[in-house]
Amino acid sequence: SQTIHQWPATLVQPVGSPLSLECTVEGTSNPNLYWYRQAAGRGLQLLFYSVGIGQISSEVPQNLSASRPQDRQFILSSKKLLLSDSGFYLCAWKGSGEGYTFGSGTRLTVV
Amino acid sequence: QKEVEQDPGPLSVPEGAIVSLNCTYSNSAFQYFMWYRQYSRKGPELLMYTYSSGNKEDGRFTAQVDKSSKYISLFIRDSQPSDSATYLCAIHSYNFNKFYFGSGTKLNVKP
Repeated sequence: SQTIHQWPATLVQPVGSPLSLECTVEGTSNPNLYWYRQAAGRGLQLLFYSVGIGQISSEVPQNLSASRPQDRQFILSSKKLLLSDSGFYLCAWKGSGEGYTFGSGTRLTVV
Repeated sequence: QKEVEQDPGPLSVPEGAIVSLNCTYSNSAFQYFMWYRQYSRKGPELLMYTYSSGNKEDGRFTAQVDKSSKYISLFIRDSQPSDSATYLCAIHSYNFNKFYFGSGTKLNVKP
């Protein structure tokens, strides 16, 4: 069966520090992978998606970047965090057929 | 105009009540309709998935789609305190290759 792993679960980082969030998928190959951010009361905002290794589409220009160095690995990064980067970050994958499967999320607080 | 609109609530009901959650969408090109349930500090989990007008039932949950009105609903029968969560609707079209989420409705079922 397919599983998605996302870590860390919680992160507190100072303004101006770098960020690296990692997501890996097991039990599938060549998945479509997505990074979402969920802010309180604002729903899910699509940040990046990837249909294959090295292929990244950015939905929202901002302080973040994404990379896909391996088929089942998706990384969200920032060189310098802003206060506005705080939020709940979710990785998701989509196989053939039904909807997304989401990871358990990373709650990022920038202080 | 947003692709999908959802009343944020919160919605508070007594245990055993029938709950109705609703979303409207703007583009008739959307073909696939989903409901996700998200417990506090967790990633969303897929609850219901449908692609046709009419009703789809799964236990106490019924998803209803009215494509002519661009209106989707989720009904929960005999609601339980364990149903307390945020419910997100989502729509998808292969033409756009991405999902659009409602902002979520927070449901509280009181024992």
